[in-house]
Amino acid sequence: DTAVSQTPKYLVTQMGNDKSIKCEQNLGHDTMYWYKQDSKKFLKIMFSYNNKELIINETVPNRFSPKSPDKAHLNLHINSLELGDSAVYFCASSLRDRVGVTEAFFGQGTRLTVV
Amino acid sequence: AQKVTQAQTEISVVEKEDVTLDCVYETRDTTYYLFWYKQPPSGELVFLIRRNSFDEQNEISGRYSWNFQKSTSSFNFTITASQVVDSAVYFCALVRNTGFQKLVFGTGTRLLVSP
Repeated sequence: DTAVSQTPKYLVTQMGNDKSIKCEQNLGHDTMYWYKQDSKKFLKIMFSYNNKELIINETVPNRFSPKSPDKAHLNLHINSLELGDSAVYFCASSLRDRVGVTEAFFGQGTRLTVV
Repeated sequence: AQKVTQAQTEISVVEKEDVTLDCVYETRDTTYYLFWYKQPPSGELVFLIRRNSFDEQNEISGRYSWNFQKSTSSFNFTITASQVVDSAVYFCALVRNTGFQKLVFGTGTRLLVSP
């Protein structure tokens, strides 16, 4: 009954490989996000989808491509991995209701290590 | 542009001490939300509180309390009688209440509570 789940939790891969991280939420939220946390713990948004539509795309290399097959899923595919891609990637979801914005719930994070 | 500043990089206290984590924000929006998240050593991001810009009442939840002051653009977090389990990185975040939202995080404050 995890609210936001992402897999895998750990991912170790070689430079140049392509990898995907999957995320699913069962909260009925309409907006999903990918955030990147670097080695200094700084959290920065990468992408946001609302009802399967891309609404926020920060300055992220084209090698990163999000895909949202439905409102409950937002996957992140990364091509040609580089050493600098090593980080923790968090998926999150939230809902915009009549009052305003709900809090974002985060998955447990995927620690990506590129060697 | 929105910005969140957490000037305290790291705070060390001894168990049972009270500690206040500072958060100062910048935004041109008149309606917005502020949040605090906790990231324990296990790595997940745990939601603590949401506060909208129209509600300046202070809030208390057990040993946790929050002081929101629009006049100084601050949203400080106090832990009373700290415990070792409070050791974590704490993030303050801001999101606008118009258009499509993205959480803008501060750089976090690492709290170390020693026995």
